[in-house]
Formats: sequence, C-alpha cells, structure tokens
Amino acid sequence: GNSVTQMEGPVTLSEEAFLTINCTYTATGYPSLFWYVQYPGEGLQLLLKATKADDKGSNKGFEATYRKETTSFHLEKGSVQVSDSAVYFCALSGATNKLIFGTGTLLAVQP
Amino acid sequence: ETGVTQTPRHLVMGMTNKKSLKCEQHLGHNAMYWYKQSAKKPLELMFVYNFKEQTENNSVPSRFSPECPNSSHLFLHLHTLQPEDSALYLCASSQEGIHLFFGSGTQLSVL
Repeated sequence: GNSVTQMEGPVTLSEEAFLTINCTYTATGYPSLFWYVQYPGEGLQLLLKATKADDKGSNKGFEATYRKETTSFHLEKGSVQVSDSAVYFCALSGATNKLIFGTGTLLAVQP
Repeated sequence: ETGVTQTPRHLVMGMTNKKSLKCEQHLGHNAMYWYKQSAKKPLELMFVYNFKEQTENNSVPSRFSPECPNSSHLFLHLHTLQPEDSALYLCASSQEGIHLFFGSGTQLSVL
C-alpha cells in the first residue's frame, strides 16, 4: 500500500542555518505530494504541494521537488528562523484521494 | 484562522465517562474528517464524511462513534475509552479531498 517515510527528529538548528527534512514515499501510480506544518498548539496547515514529477512546490522560503526516480520529496529552506520551529509532515494522495501522512519531524530553531 | 473550530481544546475523562468532541467548519466544504495524532506515529485517519454520509471507517473501535448532522458539523462521541486512546484528535474539512484544512485539535487524556 501507499506509505510515507520521514526522517526522525528532532532536528535542531541555529537561526539562518540550512534545513533539509528527508521524505520518501511508496505508491502505485502517480501520487500528489504535500508538506504540512503544525505550529505549537495549532492544527496542520498546508505548506506546499507538487502534483507531478519534477514539479517544485514552494512557500514561505521552503521548497520541495517531486523526484520520481528517487521517490523523494525532501523539504529545504536556505535560512531558517526561530518562527519556523514546528512539526513538519510529509504526505501523499493517491488514486483514492486519501491523504497518507508520515510520522512528522520536529524542527527546533535556536536563536 | 483556519475556518475549522474544535471544542473543547482539552478534555480529561475517566474510562467510564461519556463525552463528545465537536467540530464546526465555516468554509462551505462538503467533506469532514477525524484524525488521531499520537506521539511518534503517523496521523491516523479515523472517519470520513462526504455530504453528511460516512464514506470511511478505518477500523476504529466502536467506543468511538461519529455523527455528522450536516455538512458543517461533525461530532465524535466517546464512551468507555482506554488510557491508550489519549491523543490529540484533529478535525479537518475539504472541498475536493486533497487540500485539508485542520482545526487546532482536542487534547484528550483518559485516566
């Protein structure tokens, strides 16, 4: 079945450091891929998405590229801020339009 | 403001209690969802309603009973829960089943 695997956290970085959170997926067909973010005390919010191979999703300085050859959708940001501290979830949506989430990766950015 | 409101934010209950979680969406969406978020586990989809009809029950124990009286409101009735049911319960809504809008969740503790 479809599944998503994320790197385990927590990821702890200093402000202005480069961020990568790895995500790989297993799916039949051509899923859409997503990153959701959950700030402390809040629900999940869609951060970015990509619907086909080689698409790049971007928002708020974050980027992720849909790599079919490596079945990956790694999240990157060039310079993180304290306000980026949150839990990041990778997710996919397959033929049934059901969202499958990963376990989440906690990012802690220190000033 | 995500447009999805959940109450209460926190709930502590004994194993013999009966309580209900409430979710309301103000976005005009036609689908609503219950998810369970536990530490170090992927988000678990529990129930899906489309146009007030339940379209998914992900093998959830009968001590969780959903109710969807209209497209804007969703309830989760709880009775005789177990300590392992303690988790964050998230409600979400969508129009096309892919971009989900989440509420802030109810943090449930079962004693």
